[in-house]
Amino acid sequence: DSGVTQTPKHLITATGQRVTLRCSPRSGDLSVYWYQQSLDQGLQFLIQYYNGEERAKGNILERFSAQQFPDLHSELNLSSLELGDSALYFCASSAPGGSTEAFFGQGTRLTVV
Amino acid sequence: EDQVTQSPEALRLQEGESSSLNCSYTVSGLRGLFWYRQDPGKGPEFLFTLYSAGEEKEKERLKATLTKKESFLHITAPKPEDSATYLCAVWGNTGFQKLVFGTGTRLLVSP
Repeated sequence: DSGVTQTPKHLITATGQRVTLRCSPRSGDLSVYWYQQSLDQGLQFLIQYYNGEERAKGNILERFSAQQFPDLHSELNLSSLELGDSALYFCASSAPGGSTEAFFGQGTRLTVV
Repeated sequence: EDQVTQSPEALRLQEGESSSLNCSYTVSGLRGLFWYRQDPGKGPEFLFTLYSAGEEKEKERLKATLTKKESFLHITAPKPEDSATYLCAVWGNTGFQKLVFGTGTRLLVSP
C-alpha cells in the first residue's frame, strides 16, 4: 500500500458526460501528480500541483482540469468525454523538497461507452 | 524534449535465468532516474532512484545501475513472482519533478 488513495476504482460513463476523479496523497506529501495510461501508450503526465498551486502541465486536454484543495486532496475533472478518454488515471504524490520519488495510487479505470 | 526508450518490449525467462532490462534516455540535465514495477491493473510501485552515473542500488533479486546514457535493471535468479512490467522514468530540468516514462518491459518468468 503506497498510502495514496484514489476513488472511485472503476467508472463507466457515456460519451459527452463529465466525471470527477479524486486523490488523497500520502500524509505529509505536498505534491500531487496526475497521469493517464492508455493501452497503446505509456504513462502520460497530465498535471502537477504543489501545496494548492499548479506547478507543471503536460499534454492535458482543455476538456480536462484539476485542482488541489487546502487539505491537499486533488480532483481531476474530465468533461465532454469521448471514447478515446477511456484509460487508467493515476495519481501520485511526493514529499516536499527535490529529488524525491513519487508514490502512485491504484488508479481509476475510466470506461467511456 | 526528455525521452526514455526501454528494451526489450517483452522478455520471457525461465525461473533462475538471470537477465537485464535496458533504459536509454535523453534528458536536459538528469535530476533523477526512477525504476517502477507495475502489475496488471495496478499502480506503479516504486523500486529505485538513481541520481548520478556510476550509482548502483539493490533490492532482493534486483540491481539498478546508471550511466550517462542508460540504466540497466539486472534481475538475478528471477522467480515467477517477479513477473510484471518494469517502468523507467526520468526527471530532467525541463519540469518541476515531471516524470517522463518509457513504455516499459513486460517480464514473464516461467517456473
